[in-house]
Amino acid sequence: RKEVEQDPGPFNVPEGATVAFNCTYSNSASQSFFWYRQDCRKEPKLLMSVYSSGNEDGRFTAQLNRASQYISLLIRDSKLSDSATYLCVVSNDYKLSFGAGTTVTVRA
Amino acid sequence: GAVVSQHPSRVICKSGTSVKIECRSLDFQATTMFWYRQFPKKSLMLMATSNEGSKATYEQGVEKDKFLINHASLTLSTLTVTSAHPEDSSFYICSAGTSGRVDEQFFGPGTRLTVL
Repeated sequence: RKEVEQDPGPFNVPEGATVAFNCTYSNSASQSFFWYRQDCRKEPKLLMSVYSSGNEDGRFTAQLNRASQYISLLIRDSKLSDSATYLCVVSNDYKLSFGAGTTVTVRA
Repeated sequence: GAVVSQHPSRVICKSGTSVKIECRSLDFQATTMFWYRQFPKKSLMLMATSNEGSKATYEQGVEKDKFLINHASLTLSTLTVTSAHPEDSSFYICSAGTSGRVDEQFFGPGTRLTVL
């Protein structure tokens, strides 16, 4: 079983729409959780950390459910520039485990 | 701040040659550097963890004699792909962790290796 699993998508949404997706992780001892964004042929960039209480950064809201071992990301008021692959990342003992990514395409 | 560079960004080589990739932290000291490999439409896979002045720790299934890692200073780590073959063609990405939050890693721009 993969350590981090994500729905690959793609999610095709119009500008202004809300899009949400989850990932699940297998190691219940995982300590830290993140969402990264990766554009085509580029390196991953940290979008936001995910906390148990849930957290928001502008149009992005992340939630963590430790009991069910899943993490979610919600993007409100989608912009064309939000088109990217979103990587769910889980940390255990300072090693990062990456999901394969969820592709989001925002269309005009 | 927290900028990591990689060089070269792209390399094409013949089968059997060795390729060296450099990873540098430009504005901070990286006690730990990580090397990842990413195949198309796949997740980043950690290859090895490199600590300055000590031997790298390789993940299961990664050949240490094939992928030589040297972490000579707090700002430089190198990955050498020895006797490269077409199946080694991939996107290689390094990242650097700071002493404060190693689990928040700063990624280099990646090196795309194509072995003919």
